[in-house]
Amino acid sequence: EVLLLESGGGLVQPGGSLRLSCVASGFTFTDYAMNWVRQAPGKGLEWVSSISGSGDRIQFADSLQGHFAISRDNSKNTLYLEINSLTADDTAIYYCAKRLWLGGLLGPFDLWGQGTLVTVSS
Amino acid sequence: QSALTQPASVSGSPGQSITIPCTGTSNDIGGYDYVAWYQQHPGKVPKLLIYDVRVRPSGISDRFSGSKSGNTASLTISGLQPDDEADYYCYSYRTGDTILFGGGSKLTVL
Repeated sequence: EVLLLESGGGLVQPGGSLRLSCVASGFTFTDYAMNWVRQAPGKGLEWVSSISGSGDRIQFADSLQGHFAISRDNSKNTLYLEINSLTADDTAIYYCAKRLWLGGLLGPFDLWGQGTLVTVSS
Repeated sequence: QSALTQPASVSGSPGQSITIPCTGTSNDIGGYDYVAWYQQHPGKVPKLLIYDVRVRPSGISDRFSGSKSGNTASLTISGLQPDDEADYYCYSYRTGDTILFGGGSKLTVL
């Protein structure tokens, strides 16, 4: 079964940091670019970042440059997102998502994890 | 970057057809055929309905169709069913290797 499972969310104080993880199964992880998309409570979807299958190409949403770091460990079939200097605006469900097509970097997402909730509050 | 523009809400009766527009610019929807649509039921994960403007993934009903004219993409749902009640998001590639989502449209089946 193809599956993405996120973890690492929780309650964090403003200014803190967090590392989210997404473990993939059921497909050849290295063949696909992976992505992070977030959704604030009651709000719409917001693309955060993408990373190529080998990890050599990365893109971030312009508004989030320097605030996030994306990486992957293909030996562990795991995608990561590190978030620094957290503010209340970062409160959201963070989804990892798989690119539809082999290779490349950007593209529609055909498989989504269940998401992990990050709440930034003192 | 600004989100793509969608109506906040749309509605229709069972059996009817509705169309959800998504307006962007020549740097995104108008410049590329990399438009997708997602359906999200409350508390659920988004589901890919359409990609490359009009292509349906395997398993997606042909009641869902996509199109594009100029800077505006559209999702049409025909033969509305109660289970179609959900939020719908458009998606587009934008010049400069970025991805944009629309603000989302809540579909109510009356």
